[in-house]
Amino acid sequence: GAGVSQTPSNKVTEKGKYVELRCDPISGHTALYWYRQSLGQGPEFLIYFQGTGAADDSGLPNDRFFAVRPEGSVSTLKIQRTERGDSAVYLCASKEPNTEAFFGQGTRLTVV
Amino acid sequence: DQQVKQNSPSLSVQEGRISILNCDYTNSMFDYFLWYKKYPAEGPTFLISISSIKDKNEDGRFTVFLNKSAKHLSLHIVPSQPGDSAVYFCAASGYGGATNKLIFGTGTLLAVQP
Repeated sequence: GAGVSQTPSNKVTEKGKYVELRCDPISGHTALYWYRQSLGQGPEFLIYFQGTGAADDSGLPNDRFFAVRPEGSVSTLKIQRTERGDSAVYLCASKEPNTEAFFGQGTRLTVV
Repeated sequence: DQQVKQNSPSLSVQEGRISILNCDYTNSMFDYFLWYKKYPAEGPTFLISISSIKDKNEDGRFTVFLNKSAKHLSLHIVPSQPGDSAVYFCAASGYGGATNKLIFGTGTLLAVQP
């Protein structure tokens, strides 16, 4: 596609439920990032993939958060036992070497 | 600990005048700085960047200045246009890692008045 696509654009879930957020990066981009933006804050780094492997997952807040990119393209961010504090906009970005990161429009997650 | 700081949450400027957005950072290992622009319900869009080996980079109406000794950078928009109204994020990366992950500031909401 022309840009980074994230689905769903909005997700409302009940506390304690499991959610999956999907990111389709720009075709051919090997690097993929997940960020989380809480209200009034800038995006915060969660995890970085180079190809299929998670090269840096130092930003994941705890073990309820997990992400995969099995074929080096689409990535899924998975959140178990969601909590109200997980409510935020989850942003995905992709890039090629020596270029800037292109962001998707984000998934707004609301945990009620 | 906020490594990238944007101390002005908002800024209002008249159309045609200059907008100056400021950003400070604490980590001297950062070697690449970027500005992103964000409209509501959209993802951040890259605007302009600067490497630490430079002190100025210009692209049309947008100029970024870097003062490494002060750990300060600024974005100048001139002339400002109503379509420039958005949230502007300063971001930094580097410190030798291969990740190229971005550390963002909290953003400045720019309002350009017609």
